Amino acid sequence: DIQMTQSPSSVSASVGDRVTITCRASQGISSWLAWYQQKPGKAPKLLIYAASSLQSGVPSRFSGSGSGTDFTLTISSLQPEDFATYYCQQANSSFGGGTKVEIK
Amino acid sequence: EVQLVESGGGLVQPGGSLRLSCAASGFTVSSNYMSWVRQAPGKGLEWVSVIYSGGSTYYADSVKGRFTISRDNAKNTLYLQMNSLRPEDTAVYYCARASAMSCPNGVCYPHSWGQGTLVTVSS
Repeated sequence: DIQMTQSPSSVSASVGDRVTITCRASQGISSWLAWYQQKPGKAPKLLIYAASSLQSGVPSRFSGSGSGTDFTLTISSLQPEDFATYYCQQANSSFGGGTKVEIK
Repeated sequence: EVQLVESGGGLVQPGGSLRLSCAASGFTVSSNYMSWVRQAPGKGLEWVSVIYSGGSTYYADSVKGRFTISRDNAKNTLYLQMNSLRPEDTAVYYCARASAMSCPNGVCYPHSWGQGTLVTVSS
């Protein structure tokens, strides 16, 4: 099975900061990767699919990049509503362990 | 409006069975990619199972042989039959949907999710 490893597991940041989260697959997965945002007690929300495509309705401050084994989610200017946990997922399969974005 | 409503969760003893339902509205279950994802208390997300519009089904190794995903077209409902339940199956179970627009090149990314239903396996 392909393992998905996210880093860091948590990050403290301030409003307006640029935040980057990485996800590494144990084997190449082409561009078959999604990023989700989850807030406490809520269902995940799709942000990015196919590694770099922005889901409809998601603010453009979110962007994704990468292919093969290394992927990145970037939030260009952190907003108060962005404090949450972020997960990467290989399509139809395993999730990364999550990255909690906390207020500094 | 698209809506997914899970039900059927509850407390069950180890070795027991439970059937989860996901009632859909605003779209046709049989025409969409439908999946189950779970989240143990305080833990991360775990993909469980998927059924494609064509009927193909797949399972995580952790549930293979114990869980069965299915759908009832007349009721527009997705199911997850869970047998031989273990304490480690304790989690909130979410159903999720990916429409054709969310399946570029046949690879699907769920974009609509239910609110989840809690399954607790304990004696």
